[in-house]
Amino acid sequence: EIVLTQSPGTLSLSPGERASLSCRASQSVSSSFLAWYQQKPGQAPRLVIYGASSRATGIPDRFSGSGSGTDFTLTISRLEPEDFAVYYCQQYGNPPKTFGQGTKVEIK
Amino acid sequence: EVQLVESGGGLVKPGGSLRLSCAASGFTFSSYSMNWVRQAPGKGLEWVSSISGSSSYTYYADSVKGRFTISRDNAKNSLYLQMNSLRVDDTAVYYCARDRGFMDVWGQGTTVTVSS
Repeated sequence: EIVLTQSPGTLSLSPGERASLSCRASQSVSSSFLAWYQQKPGQAPRLVIYGASSRATGIPDRFSGSGSGTDFTLTISRLEPEDFAVYYCQQYGNPPKTFGQGTKVEIK
Repeated sequence: EVQLVESGGGLVKPGGSLRLSCAASGFTFSSYSMNWVRQAPGKGLEWVSSISGSSSYTYYADSVKGRFTISRDNAKNSLYLQMNSLRVDDTAVYYCARDRGFMDVWGQGTTVTVSS
């Protein structure tokens, strides 16, 4: 199974700053089948990015995804108050589907 | 509106059983594979099981294989997870999620607590 390792574990930033979240896979992810989810406390996860770089419906363009192979990045260009949350990457190219352990983006 | 609503969670003793349900609306349910994903308290997300639209294919995480059974009733737009031989480490919020490889629609989750 593909193991996804996210870094850093916690990112402390101020509103307006840029956030870069990393997701590294233990082996190459087929066809960039990599997704990112946002989860706020007490809520279900919400799809942010799929196919490594495609924004989900309703996701603002300050969110962008990049990468291929084993290294992927989620970038939030300018953090808004509602962006502070935990973000998970997930690969769906090689069964079983696996998730990273999450990166918490917190207000500094 | 596309919506998934889980139910059936609760408190159960180790070794017990529970059946979760997920009611789907707002989309052609039979056209999509579906997933169950769980999240233990304070932990990350773990994929549990998937089922194809016609129920022809089912998949399970090693951690639940042989104990959990996923099924669906397309006439009722419903997804199920039969959980047997429950263990303390099965305690989690269980989400159903629509499958497109990635998971684009999620329910609000139902809580399963396994404790004596």
